[in-house]
Amino acid sequence: AQTVTQSQPEMSVQEAETVTLSCTYDTSENNYYLFWYKQPPSRQMILVIRQEAYKQQNATENRFSVNFQKAAKSFSLKISDSQLGDTAMYFCAFQQGGGNKLTFGTGTQLKVEL
Amino acid sequence: DAGVTQSPTHLIKTRGQQVTLRCSPKSGHDTVSWYQQALGQGPQFIFQYYEEEERQRGNFPDRFSGHQFPNYSSELNVNALLLGDSALYLCASSWGQSNQPQHFGDGTRLSIL
Repeated sequence: AQTVTQSQPEMSVQEAETVTLSCTYDTSENNYYLFWYKQPPSRQMILVIRQEAYKQQNATENRFSVNFQKAAKSFSLKISDSQLGDTAMYFCAFQQGGGNKLTFGTGTQLKVEL
Repeated sequence: DAGVTQSPTHLIKTRGQQVTLRCSPKSGHDTVSWYQQALGQGPQFIFQYYEEEERQRGNFPDRFSGHQFPNYSSELNVNALLLGDSALYLCASSWGQSNQPQHFGDGTRLSIL
């Protein structure tokens, strides 16, 4: 069974600065996908970024980028130029190739401060 | 373009009762997955429906069942409710049954007294 570990329960960052959220996972599969989702207090889970395991290039979406280290089974999220609206719970998630099931970590609560 | 919609928003039940939660997928999506998110935890996969059939299932007892209708909307049914079933229930939709980005609804907050 796959497991996803987020070892930082809480983090804070000053507005306009950069922060990195950590995620490690465990799988014996070779074909899989990794995701970061954001859940603000409004509860809706919002897709931030998606990485296909077979792609060596790290995914980027505007201010959000990942550092995907396949051999180390590490998938960290970097948020640049942090904004107050980035305050939310961030979940790392694993999806096996050929399926739809997402396996989530326990989340990191990020607070962006003035 | 409507996103994923779930109803009701909040629900209060007592132990032993049965509950039905509803989900309409995002326009153009044909696959629906359900997740249970306990307070302070990440979501746990319950099951996925595609072409009106359950395709994948997580580690949940048979008290949890579902249905998908021809218009792709879905229901989650939970029988014999336990206090531990109190959680946020999230519905996610996607196009196709594998490896497409999933879009989530706002969830139904279920409280068991």
